[in-house]
Amino acid sequence: ETGVTQSPTHLIKTRGQQVTLRCSSQSGHNTVSWYQQALGQGPQFIFQYYREEENGRGNFPPRFSGLQFPNYSSELNVNALELDDSALYLCASSPGLSGDLWDADTQYFGPGTRLTVL
Amino acid sequence: EDQVTQSPEALRLQEGESSSLNCSYTVSGLRGLFWYRQDPGKGPEFLFTLYSAGEEKEKERLKATLTKKESFLHITAPKPEDSATYLCAVQALYTGANSKLTFGKGITLSVRP
Repeated sequence: ETGVTQSPTHLIKTRGQQVTLRCSSQSGHNTVSWYQQALGQGPQFIFQYYREEENGRGNFPPRFSGLQFPNYSSELNVNALELDDSALYLCASSPGLSGDLWDADTQYFGPGTRLTVL
Repeated sequence: EDQVTQSPEALRLQEGESSSLNCSYTVSGLRGLFWYRQDPGKGPEFLFTLYSAGEEKEKERLKATLTKKESFLHITAPKPEDSATYLCAVQALYTGANSKLTFGKGITLSVRP
């Protein structure tokens, strides 16, 4: 069983640029969540996608947007990058009701993408 | 607003010296409490889910417990390979289909040989 994968591993951008991060969910998982983790902090919820629809959003501005595709993979797009966007971006997938009921809400994380904005 | 506070921020133990990590939470209704382990520069690794007060789960040297206000992660006879940051997160009932996690800042554990 393949776990959650993310690409790229590292990325360096300059202020004002745009970036796209990619995530492949674990096999059989239909829900994908994105989190931002600044250094020394816990992950902060950005948004969640369920069956290609946005299913909840945290306190992030509209320049953070996303997509989920029919195969449940997902993209996170960030426009007009700011220095404070430098962080580890984490993708997590969960089985939802397609899996065992006891495991439905458990989120399994990928390795993350380290974004540095200069 | 859901809140999670973890303490202490950092913990240094000698190999074999047992201890506990604390996670205090406030949430309007608890759907689940999660413990993760995170190694530097890596994504969080799932450890446990607890759903109701009084529940306990164990895995190797780790044991997680839950009350109505806090959770503890007990580490028995730790080894250097247990060194990592341990994250606690809650999932609230009211979010409906949105199963977002609210995390604490984590506890950095160092185990000296």
